[in-house]
Amino acid sequence: KQEVTQIPAALSVPEGENLVLNCSFTDSAIYNLQWFRQDPGKGLTSLLLIQSSQREQTSGRLNASLDKSSGRSTLYIAASQPGDSATYLCAVPVPGNTPLVFGKGTRLSVIA
Amino acid sequence: ETGVTQTPRHLVMGMTNKKSLKCEQHLGHNAMYWYKQSAKKPLELMFVYNFKEQTENNSVPSRFSPECPNSSHLFLHLHTLQPEDSALYLCASSQTGTSGGPDTQYFGPGTRLTVL
Repeated sequence: KQEVTQIPAALSVPEGENLVLNCSFTDSAIYNLQWFRQDPGKGLTSLLLIQSSQREQTSGRLNASLDKSSGRSTLYIAASQPGDSATYLCAVPVPGNTPLVFGKGTRLSVIA
Repeated sequence: ETGVTQTPRHLVMGMTNKKSLKCEQHLGHNAMYWYKQSAKKPLELMFVYNFKEQTENNSVPSRFSPECPNSSHLFLHLHTLQPEDSALYLCASSQTGTSGGPDTQYFGPGTRLTVL
């Protein structure tokens, strides 16, 4: 059974810092890995999707890497801003199926 | 409207009530999902529909009843719920990718459900 773990559970940084969020998964047979952002009480916004054949994806100040063999992904946020404050979720599809298995998320606070 | 919409955004119901949650996707996708997000727990998959056919029921109690009349609409019918069913219910949609696997899932804003 696929399990997704995210570390740390919460993170507080001053504005301008670069930071890394970690995600690990137990079954490396994945189609892709997706990073989401969730603001309090809101739905999820897709940030990046990395296919299993890729090693990284970039969107603006965000860079996500994938090491399938070790079951790990990182989300790098450069020059953090208060508007980046949210919960960041990592998810992978169930092998052989389409639903996503989510981690519990990392709650990020960027202090101005 | 664009993307994935959900109504209502907030719902308070008693344990004996019957209510329905609605989800609509305007993206032309072929798969739709219901997820439950409880406090301090990971998002949990409830149901999956591919091309209007239910392909996954993740051991969800029968007091939750999904309905997918067409590929753009998804309902979650609720009856005789328990207070522990209070949660954020999220709908999502996706299109099967060219690799045969899932493409990006797009989520609605969710319905915040409180069961008294």
